[in-house]
Amino acid sequence: SQQGEEDPQALSIQEGENATMNCSYKTSINNLQWYRQNSGRGLVHLILIRSNEREKHSGRLRVTLDTSKKSSSLLITASRAADTASYFCATGWASGGSYIPTFGRGTSLIVHP
Amino acid sequence: DAGVTQSPTHLIKTRGQQVTLRCSPKSGHDTVSWYQQALGQGPQFIFQYYEEEERQRGNFPDRFSGHQFPNYSSELNVNALLLGDSALYLCASSLAGQVPETQYFGPGTRLLVL
Repeated sequence: SQQGEEDPQALSIQEGENATMNCSYKTSINNLQWYRQNSGRGLVHLILIRSNEREKHSGRLRVTLDTSKKSSSLLITASRAADTASYFCATGWASGGSYIPTFGRGTSLIVHP
Repeated sequence: DAGVTQSPTHLIKTRGQQVTLRCSPKSGHDTVSWYQQALGQGPQFIFQYYEEEERQRGNFPDRFSGHQFPNYSSELNVNALLLGDSALYLCASSLAGQVPETQYFGPGTRLLVL
C-alpha cells in the first residue's frame, strides 16, 4: 500500500496561476520529499522537508509540513507550461541503515499556455 | 557527471518469459533501489541493494530478483512474466548513510508483456 496520498488527482490551470497540491500520510516520518515526473519518465527530486521543519522554499516552490495533521502541501507559484507533469510526495523512514521512500499516486498537473 | 542510466528503454515480452533490466547508478553512489510503476500509479518499491546484497524488499513475489555488481551497477530479473508485470521499471541510486538520503532516478525501462 502507498503511504502518502496526493490531492487533487488532477489539476488544470492557466500559465501564471499558482498550483497547490496536498499530500497526506499515515505514520511517523523522518522527512517528506516531493518529486516531479514528466510523461512517464524518471522522477526528478524537487525538495525535501525534514520532520522538524514547517516550511521550505526553492525557487518558485514552497513546501509546508504539518506533522500534527500528517500533511504537506506543494505550491508552485507563477506556473509555466513546462511545469506540466505529475507530482509525487514521498514519505521517508530510515531503518537499519537503509532509507526507503514511499510514494503516493501523484497529482497530474496541466498548465495551459 | 553521469546520472542514473537504465537499459533498455523499452521492452516487449511474452507471458511466461524472463526479462533482465539493467541500471548504472549515479557516480559516487553505492545503493540501488528498484521500483515498479503501473500506469496512473506511484512507484512501488521492489527491493534495494547495498554492498552486493539485498538490504530491503517490498511486497513483491520471488519471481522478482536482483543482483548488484562490485561496480555498484544492478540488474532486475523477472521470471515467468505475467500480463500484470507490464509497467515502467525505475532504478534509483543513493549514497548510503547520507543524511538525508535522497534517491536519484533513472529514466526507466518500459516493459510490455503480451
